Amino acid sequence: GDSVTQMEGPVTLSEEAFLTINCTYTATGYPSLFWYVQYPGEGLQLLLKATKADDKGSNKGFEATYRKETTSFHLEKGSVQVSDSAVYFCALRGNDMRFGAGTRLTVKP
Amino acid sequence: EAEVAQSPRYKITEKSQAVAFWCDPISGHATLYWYRQILGQGPELLVQFQDESVVDDSQLPKDRFSAERLKGVDSTLKIQPAELGDSAMYLCASSLQAGTSGSDTQYFGPGTRLTVL
Repeated sequence: GDSVTQMEGPVTLSEEAFLTINCTYTATGYPSLFWYVQYPGEGLQLLLKATKADDKGSNKGFEATYRKETTSFHLEKGSVQVSDSAVYFCALRGNDMRFGAGTRLTVKP
Repeated sequence: EAEVAQSPRYKITEKSQAVAFWCDPISGHATLYWYRQILGQGPELLVQFQDESVVDDSQLPKDRFSAERLKGVDSTLKIQPAELGDSAMYLCASSLQAGTSGSDTQYFGPGTRLTVL
C-alpha cells in the first residue's frame, strides 16, 4: 500500500540556519503531496501542497518540490526562526491519506 | 478564516468509562474524518464520512468505538468502554466533496487530548 517515510528527528538548528527535512513516498498512481505542521498541543495545520510532478509548493518561506523520478518531497527553508519550532509531517493523498511519523524541529536563538 | 471545531480540548477519564468527542467541520465540507494520533506518531484514520454515510471504517475498533454524523454536518466519536491504550489525540478533519477541485486537501481541528487512567 501507499506509504511515507520521513527523516527521523529530532532536528536542532540555530536561528537563521538552513533546514532540510527529507520525505520519500511509495504510491501507485499520482498522489497529491503535503506538508503539515503541528505546534505543541494543537492540531495539524496545512503548510504547503503539490498535486503533480515538478510542482513546487511554498508558504511562509518553506518550499518543497514534487519529484516523481526520486519519489521525494523534501521540505526546505533558507533561514529558520525560533517560531518554526514544531513537528512537521509529510503526507500523501492517493486512495486515502497517509502520514509520515513526523520530524520534531527545535530552533535555538 | 473558517476552521474545524472540536470539543472538548482535553478529557481525562477512568478506564471502563464512556467518552464522547464532538466535531463541527468547515461549512460546506461534505467529507469528515476522525483520526487517532498516538504520541510521537502520525495520525491514523479511524473513520471517514461522506455526508452522513460512512465510506471507510476499516480501522475503527468497532467493539468499543462508534461514530455518527446524523445530519451530515457535525459528528460525534464515542468510546465505550475506554481502555488505557486509548490515550491519544483524536483529530477531526474535513474536506470538500470528492471530485471537487481541492478536495484532496484536509483541514484539521485542534484535537481532543484523551487520557485514560
